[in-house]
Amino acid sequence: DTAVSQTPKYLVTQMGNDKSIKCEQNLGHDTMYWYKQDSKKFLKIMFSYNNKELIINETVPNRFSPKSPDKAHLNLHINSLELGDSAVYFCASSRSGDQPQHFGDGTRLSIL
Amino acid sequence: ILNVEQSPQSLHVQEGDSTNFTCSFPSSNFYALHWYRWETAKSPEALFVMTLNGDEKKKGRISATLNTKEGYSYLYIKGSQPEDSATYLCAFITGYSSASKIIFGSGTRLSIRP
Repeated sequence: DTAVSQTPKYLVTQMGNDKSIKCEQNLGHDTMYWYKQDSKKFLKIMFSYNNKELIINETVPNRFSPKSPDKAHLNLHINSLELGDSAVYFCASSRSGDQPQHFGDGTRLSIL
Repeated sequence: ILNVEQSPQSLHVQEGDSTNFTCSFPSSNFYALHWYRWETAKSPEALFVMTLNGDEKKKGRISATLNTKEGYSYLYIKGSQPEDSATYLCAFITGYSSASKIIFGSGTRLSIRP
């Protein structure tokens, strides 16, 4: 069983569309994260949730909205997609903020 | 601006040799430092979580040390093997609240020559 699973693995879409990436973890962790891997391969934190509550919200455009229906899920919804949104997005989870994070396999988003 | 730097950016090591690399981070507002190993086409995998100044952690041939007062951590690999080839990332965490930050370094890409 995959511990942190993201779907879809690849997402190719047109500029201006709205899309969602789903993330689920079956580790019983309280904290979940979304990262964007930028063009220089840096991992940049976007959001972090603890028990469905937002605890880290970096400066990302408000077109990006995380949604956590329960502590095992943290989905990322992106409105009005732009070319610059093309990247690999990683979901991760951890037991708490100081514990190691378990990463999903990433979702490669390509905007045409 | 919080900066986390890793050096060197890349490293080529002969199989069997030992090596080490550095993660530098701000010496204030320290909460935790993580080390991850990231193989090509896979996702990052946690190696160590370090929280106390002077911490030393070990997993097999890999070990890490932490100096929070001067803001650096070293990762050591003893007797490098081809399977050690990967990018090694450190992540600096400032706290656990709505004001906390998680900042990853750009990684050290390690290649082991057989």
